[in-house]
Amino acid sequence: KQEVTQIPAALSVPEGENLVLNCSFTDSAIYNLQWFRQDPGKGLTSLLLIQSSQREQTSGRLNASLDKSSGRSTLYIAASQPGDSATYLCAPEGSGSRLTFGEGTQLTVNP
Amino acid sequence: NAGVMQNPRHLVRRRGQEARLRCSPMKGHSHVYWYRQLPEEGLKFMVYLQKENIIDESGMPKERFSAEFPKEGPSILRIQQVVRGDSAAYFCASSPPQDPRNQPQHFGDGTRLSIL
Repeated sequence: KQEVTQIPAALSVPEGENLVLNCSFTDSAIYNLQWFRQDPGKGLTSLLLIQSSQREQTSGRLNASLDKSSGRSTLYIAASQPGDSATYLCAPEGSGSRLTFGEGTQLTVNP
Repeated sequence: NAGVMQNPRHLVRRRGQEARLRCSPMKGHSHVYWYRQLPEEGLKFMVYLQKENIIDESGMPKERFSAEFPKEGPSILRIQQVVRGDSAAYFCASSPPQDPRNQPQHFGDGTRLSIL
């Protein structure tokens, strides 16, 4: 059974900082891994998808890496902005196309 | 393109009533997934459907819950005889008809179900 852990659970930083969110998972037999953000009372917005054969993906100020064999992924956010404040969720996809979610990292970027 | 549409956004039911949650996938998408987020918990997979087929329902509670994705119309998650523990946010996601293992899942804004 896949288990996903995200560290830290919460993070508060001043605007402009670069930051790293960590995700670890127990079952390395995954097809891909997605990073999402969730705003309060809203659904999930897909940020990046990394295929199992890839090492990293980039979109704007976001960069996600994947080390499948060690069961780890990181999301790097450059030059953070207050609009980045949200909960960030990591979700590896395993058999049956199901996503398994961690409990998220709640990020607050202070102006 | 419209995203994944879920309705209603909020649903209040009394214990013992039925709840019906609807999900219209993104245009052109043929895979639908339902997830549940209980208070203070992470999202948990419930069921994966394609048109007229349930592919994986291993995350569904054994009783009172059912899901369908008919040939025409939205996907429906149905909860019979609701209990307080069913109070949660229910999210629907969809992905294109290509191999779902290579496609991101796109989520709706969810239905927040409250049981009185």
